[in-house]
Amino acid sequence: EAQVTQNPRYLITVTGKKLTVTCSQNMNHEYMSWYRQDPGLGLRQIYYSMNVEVTDKGDVPEGYKVSRKEKRNFPLILESPSPNQTSLYFCASSFLRGTEAFFGQGTRLTVV
Amino acid sequence: EDKVVQSPLSLVVHEGDTVTLNCSYEVTNFRSLLWYKQEKKAPTFLFMLTSSGIEKKSGRLSSILDKKELFSILNITATQTGDSAVYLCAVGRGSQGNLIFGKGTKLSVKP
Repeated sequence: EAQVTQNPRYLITVTGKKLTVTCSQNMNHEYMSWYRQDPGLGLRQIYYSMNVEVTDKGDVPEGYKVSRKEKRNFPLILESPSPNQTSLYFCASSFLRGTEAFFGQGTRLTVV
Repeated sequence: EDKVVQSPLSLVVHEGDTVTLNCSYEVTNFRSLLWYKQEKKAPTFLFMLTSSGIEKKSGRLSSILDKKELFSILNITATQTGDSAVYLCAVGRGSQGNLIFGKGTKLSVKP
């Protein structure tokens, strides 16, 4: 089954404790991206990747890092999480850039 | 500044009604417009539109794009309770084509 898998689905952490949210897709897609979704603000892109070792900032990249060492994986790293990063995070992938056809199930992150 | 505006923000209808959701945009280097349905989980892809005036259909859902007036509509005919969701519009822009999303229209279909 074609899918994008994120882990964990839920996470509560404390300010400043580094964390990684993993994302993996099994469709051999070149394009992957990360979004956060907040009430009243909608989905906003954090980072995207056109291919292995090619990443670029989206609209709200501050406080986040990504890497793309393998085609299937695109982890999101929060080096020093803060409460304003409490949000619902989605990973997405597609064959073509800017046509996100598959989204992961989301990771609800709470930073206290 | 690029923006995507959806209207209405929320809508309550009864089963069997027909609804029209609106999406207007102002972006540099438009590439595509996409519609998604989001229930209590991940957005699911509905349509991608790139050309004006060509209607895309899937069952009771249809959508069309007007690149001159910079908007798109999503129509749902004979609505069912299972259509209740947030409908998201997104526009791909620039050389990289990355998406900017609207805030969504929350549709509630009552039995």
